[in-house]
Amino acid sequence: EAGVTQFPSHSVIEKGQTVTLRCDPISGHDNLYWYRRVMGKEIKFLLHFVKESKQDESGMPNNRFLAERTGGTYSTLKVQPAELEDSGVYFCASSPNRADTQYFGPGTRLTVL
Amino acid sequence: KQEVTQIPAALSVPEGENLVLNCSFTDSAIYNLQWFRQDPGKGLTSLLLIQSSQREQTSGRLNASLDKSSGRSTLYIAASQPGDSATYLCAVTIGSYIPTFGRGTSLIVHP
Repeated sequence: EAGVTQFPSHSVIEKGQTVTLRCDPISGHDNLYWYRRVMGKEIKFLLHFVKESKQDESGMPNNRFLAERTGGTYSTLKVQPAELEDSGVYFCASSPNRADTQYFGPGTRLTVL
Repeated sequence: KQEVTQIPAALSVPEGENLVLNCSFTDSAIYNLQWFRQDPGKGLTSLLLIQSSQREQTSGRLNASLDKSSGRSTLYIAASQPGDSATYLCAVTIGSYIPTFGRGTSLIVHP
């Protein structure tokens, strides 16, 4: 069974540019989560989808971040325009039900110069 | 607001040693506590999940304990091996099912 996959693995962009991160959850997992780890800090929750609906987006830092999950399958996280403080590793996770163990992807390392 | 602290932040030991990694949390009303392992460039791998009603979980050379009243958990690694080198993360979950993570302990086991 394929795990959670994320694309790209690394992205280096300049301040002001736009970047879109993609997450493909494990097939059949209705719950999809985005997290971020800024260097030197802990992993922090960004938002949670149940199928295509946003269940909780309390962790989204500001309106420069837009997450979508059209069709309830893969999800994208767009940062527009990117700022220096957006640099970090963005993780995606999925689970069958909300109370189940979450399975994490390898992350996308974003560097904003 | 739940806060999770992991001590030590980094650890370097010779192969064969028994290790204890510590995790403390501020809000004892947890749903579960989970220990993860992260290898460089890889995602998080769940090692052990302890439900709030449990005191410990074991998997192979790993044993995790939970003391809710004191807000502490320990991860015990027996007979450490170089392959155990990784970052170990503790995460606690309350009613929202969203985990709160610690910053992790970076472990190096040298031959």
